[in-house]
Amino acid sequence: QKEVEQDPGPLSVPEGAIVSLNCTYSNSAFQYFMWYRQYSRKGPELLMYTYSSGNKEDGRFTAQVDKSSKYISLFIRDSQPSDSATYLCAMLTGGFKTIFGAGTRLFVKA
Amino acid sequence: SQTIHQWPATLVQPVGSPLSLECTVEGTSNPNLYWYRQAAGRGLQLLFYSVGIGQISSEVPQNLSASRPQDRQFILSSKKLLLSDSGFYLCAWSPGGMETQYFGPGTRLLVL
Repeated sequence: QKEVEQDPGPLSVPEGAIVSLNCTYSNSAFQYFMWYRQYSRKGPELLMYTYSSGNKEDGRFTAQVDKSSKYISLFIRDSQPSDSATYLCAMLTGGFKTIFGAGTRLFVKA
Repeated sequence: SQTIHQWPATLVQPVGSPLSLECTVEGTSNPNLYWYRQAAGRGLQLLFYSVGIGQISSEVPQNLSASRPQDRQFILSSKKLLLSDSGFYLCAWSPGGMETQYFGPGTRLLVL
């Protein structure tokens, strides 16, 4: 079993839709949770960072962490074609080794 | 503000040839530095990380090596490339003691 599972998609939605992206994990020691956005042929860019459980909101993006279920989510409201990218979840216990999901490809159609 | 550079952007190399990829960070001091490889449809695989000059930790045994000759310079090398070394190589940095990492633009390597 992989430490972090993420549906690769692709996920295709119409412009303006609410997008839900998810990851599950197996290591209960994970404390730090991140979401990265990666455009084609570019390096990932950090979108959201959450410590432990709870919600965090930044503009159209909301990150949720449910440690009891070992489940994290990223919600995108009012999705735009410019949101079309691959979204990577990432997590770590502390230290230096971040574990990344394989990424979900998202297409937002105009 | 901090900036991370990687070069070259794209590289095509024959099997058995050497490799040198360079990463530099501007606007910060004593960063933690990382090399990752990303294969198509797969997550990021951590190859090396460094917490200081000359300090390198390897995560995956392979024919690659890394060096950090200066505080903000990280180099990925190989003496003889294999076909399986093809991929997208990403350098990242993080402030010391912080968990969030910031990535460079990447180098696409094709070994033929």
